[in-house]
Amino acid sequence: NAGVTQTPKFRVLKTGQSMTLLCAQDMNHEYMYWYRQDPGMGLRLIHYSVGEGTTAKGEVPDGYNVSRLKKQNFLLGLESAAPSQTSVYFCASSYPTYEQYFGPGTRLTVT
Amino acid sequence: GENVEQHPSTLSVQEGDSAVIKCTYSDSASNYFPWYKQELGKRPQLIIDIRSNVGEKKDQRIAVTLNKTAKHFSLHITETQPEDSAVYFCAASIGQAGTALIFGKGTTLSVSS
Repeated sequence: NAGVTQTPKFRVLKTGQSMTLLCAQDMNHEYMYWYRQDPGMGLRLIHYSVGEGTTAKGEVPDGYNVSRLKKQNFLLGLESAAPSQTSVYFCASSYPTYEQYFGPGTRLTVT
Repeated sequence: GENVEQHPSTLSVQEGDSAVIKCTYSDSASNYFPWYKQELGKRPQLIIDIRSNVGEKKDQRIAVTLNKTAKHFSLHITETQPEDSAVYFCAASIGQAGTALIFGKGTTLSVSS
């Protein structure tokens, strides 16, 4: 089992560019999540999904969109990147237990 | 919405001492409270969790206590070791229905030998 994987591991964008982060899990989990982690701010929930075809907003959803077309994948999109979106992005999955399993993270820099 | 406060933000102890990290939450409907450990450059990993139907849970040197009336929960690490040095995050579930979590801002624990 690969667990939770994220693509890419690193990315540098210019302001205004767009990109999609991919999260994949092979544990047959129903729930998937996207967090961002900034120094001193902990992990903040961006969007989450409780099943294929469903998404919900978290604490900091502005500037991001998500899609869950397949149960094993959860995509995070930035339509027009801003320097404030420079962060480390973590994907996680869970269910049927409550434990969330995290991916290795994507380090994104927006210049 | 749910809000989770975590204290202290940094904690330095000598090897063998105990460490205590405290969190408070705002949503009385929350029923799941995990603790994650994150080493530098790594992903967060669950170390212990507690659900609202119990008041205390132990796993070797780690214990978590929950006071639902006061809406606070704490992590206790006994006989600390240098490898316990990391950032620790508490979290609380958003209400009862889902497992979406709100995290505290983290505590950097340093254990010196």
